[in-house]
Amino acid sequence: QKEVEQNSGPLSVPEGAIASLNCTYSDRVSQSFFWYRQYSGKSPELIMSIYSNGDKEDGRFTAQLNKASQYVSLLIRDSQPSDSATYLCAVINAGGTSYGKLTFGQGTILTVHP
Amino acid sequence: GAVVSQHPSWVICKSGTSVKIECRSLDFQATTMFWYRQFPKQSLMLMATSNEGSKATYEQGVEKDKFLINHASLTLSTLTVTSAHPEDSSFYICSARDLVNYEQYFGPGTRLTVT
Repeated sequence: QKEVEQNSGPLSVPEGAIASLNCTYSDRVSQSFFWYRQYSGKSPELIMSIYSNGDKEDGRFTAQLNKASQYVSLLIRDSQPSDSATYLCAVINAGGTSYGKLTFGQGTILTVHP
Repeated sequence: GAVVSQHPSWVICKSGTSVKIECRSLDFQATTMFWYRQFPKQSLMLMATSNEGSKATYEQGVEKDKFLINHASLTLSTLTVTSAHPEDSSFYICSARDLVNYEQYFGPGTRLTVT
């Protein structure tokens, strides 16, 4: 089982719709979770961080965390074509040889079509 | 938001030469910086973790004598690709971790082409 799993997609949504991106992780003691957006040929850009159970909203983005289910999600409201990118879920490892390092999911490709 | 810069943004060098890439955190201090490599359509691959004032920690399979890392201050880490070969051609990306909130910010990347 991969440490951080995402549906690789591609996920296609119409402009104006809600895009829902999901991520599960295996390390039960992880405390810090992040969503990055990566456009083709560019480096990742941090768009959300979440540390506590529940929802965290920032503009059109809402991150949701459920530690009991080891599940993190990202909702993008009013999706725009400019949101088309690969979205990376990342978790900070809380133990073992990878302590303190980010583990990334394989990324979900999102396409927002006009 | 926090800004990480990288220089150069792209470089072309001849096989056998060395290339130095700089990574700077511009508006925050970072005791820890990370160096990644990414090939086209592939995931980020962590190469090494750079800690200010100490030796870098390399991931399995990454040659420490080929990829020299120096983290001389809380805002600067450098990666030197020594004796570069065409197979070293890739997109090299650094990131810096904020001391306060553990958020990790990426630089814009350096595209290296070895001819």
